[in-house]
Amino acid sequence: DSGVTQTPKHLITATGQRVTLRCSPRSGDLSVYWYQQSLDQGLQFLIQYYNGEERAKGNILERFSAQQFPDLHSELNLSSLELGDSALYFCASSPGIGHSTDTQYFGPGTRLTVL
Amino acid sequence: AQKVTQAQTEISVVEKEDVTLDCVYETRDTTYYLFWYKQPPSGELVFLIRRNSFDEQNEISGRYSWNFQKSTSSFNFTITASQVVDSAVYFCALSEAIYNNAGNMLTFGGGTRLMVKP
Repeated sequence: DSGVTQTPKHLITATGQRVTLRCSPRSGDLSVYWYQQSLDQGLQFLIQYYNGEERAKGNILERFSAQQFPDLHSELNLSSLELGDSALYFCASSPGIGHSTDTQYFGPGTRLTVL
Repeated sequence: AQKVTQAQTEISVVEKEDVTLDCVYETRDTTYYLFWYKQPPSGELVFLIRRNSFDEQNEISGRYSWNFQKSTSSFNFTITASQVVDSAVYFCALSEAIYNNAGNMLTFGGGTRLMVKP
């Protein structure tokens, strides 16, 4: 158990809908990361937040957005869902930005199925 | 831009065989970090090891060992005396050093699926 929690574990929804994925980082971690794992694209970085502020952005679609709240939990919002958005979404956390790269610890993931 | 290549998409071995998973990376930075993660059938990503670019010492942890060679941009992972429980997908990942408070995203390879048969 990494200490990172993600809810829900599974999500099934229809095209055009909007969903919210939630992540609670490990105790004391200030950075939260979101990754998407799909069969065709592999594991891809989406976005990083540090202490409530966006720090880095990867190949995140405009239909997707995220935020980190004052209690440090994070939410990833996916809207106007398409079949191709079906994937495993991981959240990871690390202590924070310093002078070296932290190790990221991953949550169990949320499996999203868009029908 | 950084890139990680795991040329072996799938490896099948019989229990107790040794197996090496290859990882080759590309980066323009002189300071970077390399990682291995394991994804068992249950789906979670489990951290195995982290190595920075200035530390080329090989590391051994039980049946696991890692060989980092900067000259060939490789960070290979060997499992000695493999067991059925080692069956998983293994990912190699790269993160460049942080500058000006930029983020430290991980760039993953495509993964190697290891199947250990009894």
